[in-house]
Amino acid sequence: GAVVSQHPSRVICKSGTSVKIECRSLDFQATTMFWYRQFPKQSLMLMATSNEGSKATYEQGVEKDKFLINHASLTLSTLTVTSAHPEDSSFYICSARSLGPRRITEAFFGQGTRLTVV
Amino acid sequence: AQSVTQPDIHITVSEGASLELRCNYSYGATPYLFWYVQSPGQGLQLLLKYFSGDTLVQGIKGFEAEFKRSQSSFNLRKPSVHWSDAAEYFCAVGTRNNDMRFGAGTRLTVKP
Repeated sequence: GAVVSQHPSRVICKSGTSVKIECRSLDFQATTMFWYRQFPKQSLMLMATSNEGSKATYEQGVEKDKFLINHASLTLSTLTVTSAHPEDSSFYICSARSLGPRRITEAFFGQGTRLTVV
Repeated sequence: AQSVTQPDIHITVSEGASLELRCNYSYGATPYLFWYVQSPGQGLQLLLKYFSGDTLVQGIKGFEAEFKRSQSSFNLRKPSVHWSDAAEYFCAVGTRNNDMRFGAGTRLTVKP
């Protein structure tokens, strides 16, 4: 199957700083990438959908100025948590889909990023 | 909008026993259905998926799932559970042009 690489896998940052998480599709072009957040012992909650070359679509209740998403190329999307606070500590997971010639119709997930804000 | 319900938050089975995890979905058209497994602190691994065709789908690690349109269900089954199957299981529904929505998850505990 297709591979999605997410980096870093773990990050600890100080309150007030910003953290960038990268999501790369390694062997296919991802026209759409999704960012999820998962609280302990809970399900994945979709934060936003990003399409290459256009602005991300955020789910209701997700602050777009706090969670900046950039999908500048067909293989890379980034999520930047700005001015992080302890309540932003969570597990963030990206997924990527391609609706191009390969007709990949499932999403492939990155390994996730454990963010801890101290 | 599509949604997924996993009625069982936590299930405990004995090793070697059979397993069935329930999943019900709500979607107006023919859905794409998925089962993922997540070990603690890890990402998601796809177990199996249903897009069309045969309603009984075989996946990895001995899992299978059956799509029943009349019941809007996509239950996951395994005839004999192994201790290594203990994990969190997520059912998801998606469309060709949209994201996937996940159920709340079912945590599986396997007793020796």
